Amino acid sequence: DVKVTQSSRYLVKRTGEKVFLECVQDMDHENMFWYRQDPGLGLRLIYFSYDVKMKEKGDIPEGYSVSREKKERFSLILESASTNQTSMYLCASLTGGSSYNEQFFGPGTRLTVL
Amino acid sequence: AQTVTQSQPEMSVQEAETVTLSCTYDTSESDYYLFWYKQPPSRQMILVIRQEAYKQQNATENRFSVNFQKAAKSFSLKISDSQLGDAAMYFCAYSDTGTASKLTFGTGTRLQVTL
Repeated sequence: DVKVTQSSRYLVKRTGEKVFLECVQDMDHENMFWYRQDPGLGLRLIYFSYDVKMKEKGDIPEGYSVSREKKERFSLILESASTNQTSMYLCASLTGGSSYNEQFFGPGTRLTVL
Repeated sequence: AQTVTQSQPEMSVQEAETVTLSCTYDTSESDYYLFWYKQPPSRQMILVIRQEAYKQQNATENRFSVNFQKAAKSFSLKISDSQLGDAAMYFCAYSDTGTASKLTFGTGTRLQVTL
């Protein structure tokens, strides 16, 4: 079974803090994704990566950056957290070259910025 | 850009009954994938069912089936013999056929299952 884990289920940070959200997958997937989930808005793509050290902006990248130094790990960084970044963050992974295109999701990190 | 619309924020169904969740999408592509994902309360998002646009036959997974109407750009999910464990948030999603294709999600439908 594919396993996608996220470093924290719940996180509380203060405005202006630098925040790191970590995601690890154990199935050697090439592609990894960070989504943000808000009520009434569904999931929106922040960034994705199709290979180590490669990244592409999604639909709402402003205020975020990412890092992928190893294939299994994809980090989302909030350089200076703001209250409007309070949200649920979901990480997902997908194998490359797949005709099935199923993304596997982590359990999510609920971030509160005070 | 592709868009996915779920017009039912909440639905309710009695146990053992059938319920249909609606989804429409917009794309200029001729080949693509459509998905229904389930997110139970405080639990991980999991794939329920998947449809490839070039296949005319509707996908089925046990009690879950879809009604895929390509011309109408409609992709509804039917849950038969509903169970308490079906209570969850359901998201419809679209993906291009590229190997690293991102998902575009609808806003979700919260399904309540009552006794």
